[in-house]
Amino acid sequence: GAVVSQHPSWVICKSGTSVKIECRSLDFQATTMFWYRQFPKQSLMLMATSNEGSKATYEQGVEKDKFLINHASLTLSTLTVTSAHPEDSSFYICSAIQADAKNIQYFGAGTRLSVL
Amino acid sequence: AQSVTQPDIHITVSEGASLELRCNYSYGATPYLFWYVQSPGQGLQLLLKYFSGDTLVQGIKGFEAEFKRSQSSFNLRKPSVHWSDAAEYFCAVGATGGFKTIFGAGTRLFVKA
Repeated sequence: GAVVSQHPSWVICKSGTSVKIECRSLDFQATTMFWYRQFPKQSLMLMATSNEGSKATYEQGVEKDKFLINHASLTLSTLTVTSAHPEDSSFYICSAIQADAKNIQYFGAGTRLSVL
Repeated sequence: AQSVTQPDIHITVSEGASLELRCNYSYGATPYLFWYVQSPGQGLQLLLKYFSGDTLVQGIKGFEAEFKRSQSSFNLRKPSVHWSDAAEYFCAVGATGGFKTIFGAGTRLFVKA
């Protein structure tokens, strides 16, 4: 159980375009989802916390207009990288928490974004 | 403030040898503690967790970890490493009463034949 699906796994786009990444909890309802960014050989950097039905909470230094997060249902959160630029190229990972799950995060497989 | 320190950036062990990955945390109370493993280009998989109770916790793939309050440590161990264990390992601390989790910088494990 507790499977999180992230799509796409890899995307290449042109500079200036927008890219949407989906994160779905397949077999549980996720009250909270997280979006992380990971640079090569580094740890996860929390970008934002997404709660169903409310606005996402962004970490300091993360541009909310750049990284749009929508948590429309208990099983789906999306991250849209708007007007992507090469410096946005990175590995993006989502995770989801079940209600009453005591911080146990279930992770998606990640999305490799390459902006040309 | 919460913090997690993994002192070893990378470790190399021989296949069949024992393994210990170090993790120290800083938190005002007893935190929730986790170890995750990440294979290249993949998300993170939970190996084990500590919430309360027995300080020695067993996880998947033969891993275990011991919570030592006096040392603020939560080291990960495995008695006999397999080549498939080569990966990046992250220790993490979660606040009780909240969902935010802080991850350590990670330790990359190399396994030599």
